[in-house]
Amino acid sequence: DTGVSQNPRHKITKRGQNVTFRCDPISEHNRLYWYRQTLGQGPEFLTYFQNEAQLEKSRLLSDRFSAERPKGSFSTLEIQRTEQGDSAMYLCASSLRRGRILSGNTIYFGEGSWLTVV
Amino acid sequence: GQQLNQSPQSMFIQEGEDVSMNCTSSSIFNTWLWYKQDPGEGPVLLIALYKAGELTSNGRLTAQFGITRKDSFLNISASIPSDVGIYFCAGTAQGGSEKLVFGKGTKLTVNP
Repeated sequence: DTGVSQNPRHKITKRGQNVTFRCDPISEHNRLYWYRQTLGQGPEFLTYFQNEAQLEKSRLLSDRFSAERPKGSFSTLEIQRTEQGDSAMYLCASSLRRGRILSGNTIYFGEGSWLTVV
Repeated sequence: GQQLNQSPQSMFIQEGEDVSMNCTSSSIFNTWLWYKQDPGEGPVLLIALYKAGELTSNGRLTAQFGITRKDSFLNISASIPSDVGIYFCAGTAQGGSEKLVFGKGTKLTVNP
């Protein structure tokens, strides 16, 4: 157990429905990341936050996807009007970024949330 | 964007054998991380590397950050059945985003 908690672990939804995933990072970590992983591929970056600020979003994050981290602690990833192509594992990760130090940014992942869109 | 080339794609070995896998990049990386992922689970961090030339061990695992900062390798010595899984290299590129970029993974099968 890395300390990054995600729920739900599994979600099956009908096409067109909205889904929301929650991530609780390691408590002292100020950075939080969302990744998506499909079978046979490595995780692909979606977005990340430093505290409550969303610093970067991938082009993979279409306008149906929105992520928030309102108080700089837990985060939610919402997918609206789900499509079958959204079926994947959604991974959350966290790290502690200290000042201007560029190295030492060790990133720990949660167990993931599986989404199946039928 | 940055891409990592990880090889081999898969390996089938006998228990007790040593394993080596590597990752290369076309651009310079500041950090190299190696993860192991079991089916249905998230990636688990094995080794983190932060300086060119750095050689770090974690039990039977050894990884190195290449001198050119464009490659890294992971060695597993005396493999055991529980080493089965998918191993991913990942890193953060110099001068750009601090997001992690992943390789496509090496699937390891260990025959007892």
